[in-house]
Amino acid sequence: SAVISQKPSRDICQRGTSLTIQCQVDSQVTMMFWYRQQPGQSLTLIATANQGSEATYESGFVIDKFPISRPNLTFSTLTVSNMSPEDSSIYLCSVVTSGGPTDTQYFGPGTRLTVL
Amino acid sequence: AQSVTQLDSQVPVFEEAPVELRCNYSSSVSVYLFWYVQYPNQGLQLLLKYLSGSTLVKGINGFEAEFNKSQTSFHLRKPSVHISDTAEYFCAVIISTGANNLFFGTGTRLTVIP
Repeated sequence: SAVISQKPSRDICQRGTSLTIQCQVDSQVTMMFWYRQQPGQSLTLIATANQGSEATYESGFVIDKFPISRPNLTFSTLTVSNMSPEDSSIYLCSVVTSGGPTDTQYFGPGTRLTVL
Repeated sequence: AQSVTQLDSQVPVFEEAPVELRCNYSSSVSVYLFWYVQYPNQGLQLLLKYLSGSTLVKGINGFEAEFNKSQTSFHLRKPSVHISDTAEYFCAVIISTGANNLFFGTGTRLTVIP
């Protein structure tokens, strides 16, 4: 299993500013993912964060808006840049501890972001 | 393209009654199927998954789901619910031949009424 923590747990931000969300795992993991859960909607994958290489972004998400770092096998950050109210969401980090993606994905508690 | 449909956005049910949460998917290739639960103010937790083999999958907390390929469904069931089962339930798929990420349905909020 994996225990995941995220910081901050919630924040209220002004439009035009940026927020960096941290994801810390208690063990080394192969795959890390960042998801967005907009109000009343399901989870949407933003990107897959690979250690030592560029993150892989899904359609509709770009690096300039959501830069991601993955400096080691236990940590990743997601930055939400130049925020607008439409970015108000819950942002979740998830990991796969070993093997392939059909192994269990563990999710962090999420970061609730409100943009005014 | 693939998609996951959860037809019921909200399901109220009395305590100790049975419940079924519906999930249908569309995909032109094989998929792996998952059910996740999200308790209030907590992260998602895996309930069960179907990768291959027996189509009836048993998960945690007394839940089970049955993969029906002909109906492209993966409905979640529990014979007797508890108050503690009140949560949001998400069905999800991974495409077996594509990118290794989960595609989620829109979720079903299960409310267990005392």
